[in-house]
Amino acid sequence: DTGVSQNPRHKITKRGQNVTFRCDPISEHNRLYWYRQTLGQGPEFLTYFQNEAQLEKSRLLSDRFSAERPKGSFSTLEIQRTEQGDSAMYLCASSLDWTGDYGYTFGSGTRLTVV
Amino acid sequence: GNSVTQMEGPVTLSEEAFLTINCTYTATGYPSLFWYVQYPGEGLQLLLKATKADDKGSNKGFEATYRKETTSFHLEKGSVQVSDSAVYFCALRVQAAGNKLTFGGGTRVLVKP
Repeated sequence: DTGVSQNPRHKITKRGQNVTFRCDPISEHNRLYWYRQTLGQGPEFLTYFQNEAQLEKSRLLSDRFSAERPKGSFSTLEIQRTEQGDSAMYLCASSLDWTGDYGYTFGSGTRLTVV
Repeated sequence: GNSVTQMEGPVTLSEEAFLTINCTYTATGYPSLFWYVQYPGEGLQLLLKATKADDKGSNKGFEATYRKETTSFHLEKGSVQVSDSAVYFCALRVQAAGNKLTFGGGTRVLVKP
């Protein structure tokens, strides 16, 4: 297992375009999280899944954002009508157990630049 | 709500110096505490954790003790190396809050030879 994989690594898009990111968690991990990290800040929680169920969404996640995890495996995060304020690193993490005591494994992130 | 405050960087040290990064938290509930490290160009990695009061987490020469009375989880290392140059994030997790992590703003550490 090569860990949590995120694609693409970098995305440059024009304002108003839609973008979609993919996250492949560690195969046996049942929890999957999305975070957003802006320059010089710590990651901020966006949403998480337990298997295929999306259990919580942050208030940071506007209506332009949607996330899915079909079949409880990989996940996609889509941003519609991108804005310059969406420019950030989008991080995905997965964990094995519901307590998270084994820690989370983070992917390397997708860096989005909206021009 | 839950929040984490850590000292602002950058922290610049010479090799073999002692490192302390302060971290304090507020939490509704009983949190587990974590330190994550982000090396240049890499993703976040779990450095150490503590899940209850007075627990000491340790890894790679780093230590942090969960102090409930002072709501703190300061990170220390007795003798840093150039390879310890990175950004360090303190974080907490409260089970009742869905197990999501709440991070501090990060502290950049630069170790010079």
